[in-house]
Amino acid sequence: GAVVSQHPSWVICKSGTSVKIECRSLDFQATTMFWYRQFPKQSLMLMATSNEGSKATYEQGVEKDKFLINHASLTLSTLTVTSAHPEDSSFYICSASGPRGGLAGYEQYFGPGTRLTVT
Amino acid sequence: AQSVSQHNHHVILSEAASLELGCNYSYGGTVNLFWYVQYPGQHLQLLLKYFSGDPLVKGIKGFEAEFIKSKFSFNLRKPSVQWSDTAEYFCAVRGGTSGSARQLTFGSGTQLTVLP
Repeated sequence: GAVVSQHPSWVICKSGTSVKIECRSLDFQATTMFWYRQFPKQSLMLMATSNEGSKATYEQGVEKDKFLINHASLTLSTLTVTSAHPEDSSFYICSASGPRGGLAGYEQYFGPGTRLTVT
Repeated sequence: AQSVSQHNHHVILSEAASLELGCNYSYGGTVNLFWYVQYPGQHLQLLLKYFSGDPLVKGIKGFEAEFIKSKFSFNLRKPSVQWSDTAEYFCAVRGGTSGSARQLTFGSGTQLTVLP
């Protein structure tokens, strides 16, 4: 149980275009979803936290107008990288956590990540 | 604010050697501690976690970790590593009580290479 998927697994886009990444919890209700960014050989950096039905809370230094996060349902969150530039190329990982007391209440379950390359 | 420090960036061991990866955290209150593993090309997987109780925690694949509160440490150990343990290992901390956000702060990671 507690499986999280991401789509697409990798995407290449041209500079200036927007890219949407989906994160789904397949077998539990994800009341909270997290978006991370991971550069090569580096750790995961939290970008934002989103609770279903609420606006996302962004970490310091993360542009909320550039990285649009929507968590409209208990099983789906999306991250849209708007007007992408080469410096946005990275590995984007989502994780999900469920209601306390449930299957995924105390842990974050991670998706497989999405490799974004902006040319 | 909480922070996590992993001292070893890259560890190279031969098969059957013992492993200990260091993790120190900085946080003034109650913490939950985690070790995650990321195999090449795969997503993060939880190895083990500590919430409360016995400070010696056993996880999957023969890994264990010991929470030493006085040292703010949560080192990962395995008595005998295998080639298949080659991966990136991340220590993570979540601070606060049950009412707080569930944000994780990750260490910088340790790349473990096990030579056959």
